[in-house]
Amino acid sequence: SQTIHQWPATLVQPVGSPLSLECTVEGTSNPNLYWYRQAAGRGLQLLFYSVGIGQISSEVPQNLSASRPQDRQFILSSKKLLLSDSGFYLCAWSVGGTSSYEQYFGPGTRLTVT
Amino acid sequence: GEDVEQSLFLSVREGDSSVINCTYTDSSSTYLYWYKQEPGAGLQLLTYIFSNMDMKQDQRLTVLLNKKDKHLSLRIADTQTGDSAIYFCAEGTGANNLFFGTGTRLTVIP
Repeated sequence: SQTIHQWPATLVQPVGSPLSLECTVEGTSNPNLYWYRQAAGRGLQLLFYSVGIGQISSEVPQNLSASRPQDRQFILSSKKLLLSDSGFYLCAWSVGGTSSYEQYFGPGTRLTVT
Repeated sequence: GEDVEQSLFLSVREGDSSVINCTYTDSSSTYLYWYKQEPGAGLQLLTYIFSNMDMKQDQRLTVLLNKKDKHLSLRIADTQTGDSAIYFCAEGTGANNLFFGTGTRLTVIP
């Protein structure tokens, strides 16, 4: 069966520090991968998605970047965190291609920028 | 872009029915979804409905779709304390093209 992992679960970082959040998927090949941010009262905001290694689409301009160095690994990064980067970050995957209907979510990372 | 709107909060008494509403703007949606997020966790798909359906029932859950008004609702019968969570409405044409609402925080009062 497929599983999705995210770490760390919780992170507290000072303003201006770098960030690296990791997401890995097991039990499937060539998944579509997604990074979302959830802010209070604002729902889920899609940040990045990837249909393959090295292929990243950015949905909103911001202080963050994403990379997909391996088929089932998706990394969210920042060189210098801002206070506004605080939130709950969710990674998700779906079956590769365009025919699937469901996204499967990881447990999330709670980031607090101080 | 696509808009998906929900009320932010809903409180119900245990044993009552809960109705969570959602409106959307994209008339080309193929699928409409309800996801559940328990505290501190990721989202899990509760149920979904094809855009050519009016209703779908699954045990205590009933989904109603009014495509003309672009209105989706989720009814939870006999609401339990374990149903307390955030419920997200989403619409799209497939898994790689989903738009989520703001989420409705359901609080079940014992």
